[in-house]
Amino acid sequence: SQQGEEDPQALSIQEGENATMNCSYKTSINNLQWYRQNSGRGLVHLILIRSNEREKHSGRLRVTLDTSKKSSSLLITASRAADTASYFCATDAVEADSWGKLQFGAGTQVVVTP
Amino acid sequence: GAVVSQHPSWVICKSGTSVKIECRSLDFQATTMFWYRQFPKQSLMLMATSNEGSKATYEQGVEKDKFLINHASLTLSTLTVTSAHPEDSSFYICSAMVLVRDYEQYFGPGTRLTVT
Repeated sequence: SQQGEEDPQALSIQEGENATMNCSYKTSINNLQWYRQNSGRGLVHLILIRSNEREKHSGRLRVTLDTSKKSSSLLITASRAADTASYFCATDAVEADSWGKLQFGAGTQVVVTP
Repeated sequence: GAVVSQHPSWVICKSGTSVKIECRSLDFQATTMFWYRQFPKQSLMLMATSNEGSKATYEQGVEKDKFLINHASLTLSTLTVTSAHPEDSSFYICSAMVLVRDYEQYFGPGTRLTVT
């Protein structure tokens, strides 16, 4: 079953604007990862945030993690047309038999128009 | 580094035939690989965990006799869809786990399977 729920389901913004998407999950986690997927293509790993971290930056990406609320957010600043893609969060649960097994959220489809 | 390839990129086959998909880690060794399935406009669903030298473990609801997984070496895992049917048409993605600073997964480009 899907661990995470993401919102919004879809987001349309103009170049230069910021895009924010949220992810909620249900169980205790080791880490949470964000991936990007262009239409019909494989996944690109964007960023990993550990359960003991609250915020992480990578270039134009900013990820926050609130383990008390079991939620995470991904912010893309100064968006570009090339950021058009689907974005997925994925959690690595703490359970003993789930090591490495990622549970993916439903994804947020982002469209950036020039 | 950490490149994962899949072969073929896409395949069309007739109902009732079997299809093999390969997943290779090109520049690292992976004791654990994972197979996911993604239906159109949906998220990835984990199908099975593939461990080198041992039997794969399947997620609930995934038929192990239909989706045969072999992890013969530290750089190669294969998924065979046996007696494929149109409902098996999907995007199949593998990933390989590697220790960087944490255990991260790197995904292959996916294989589009269409069963006619």
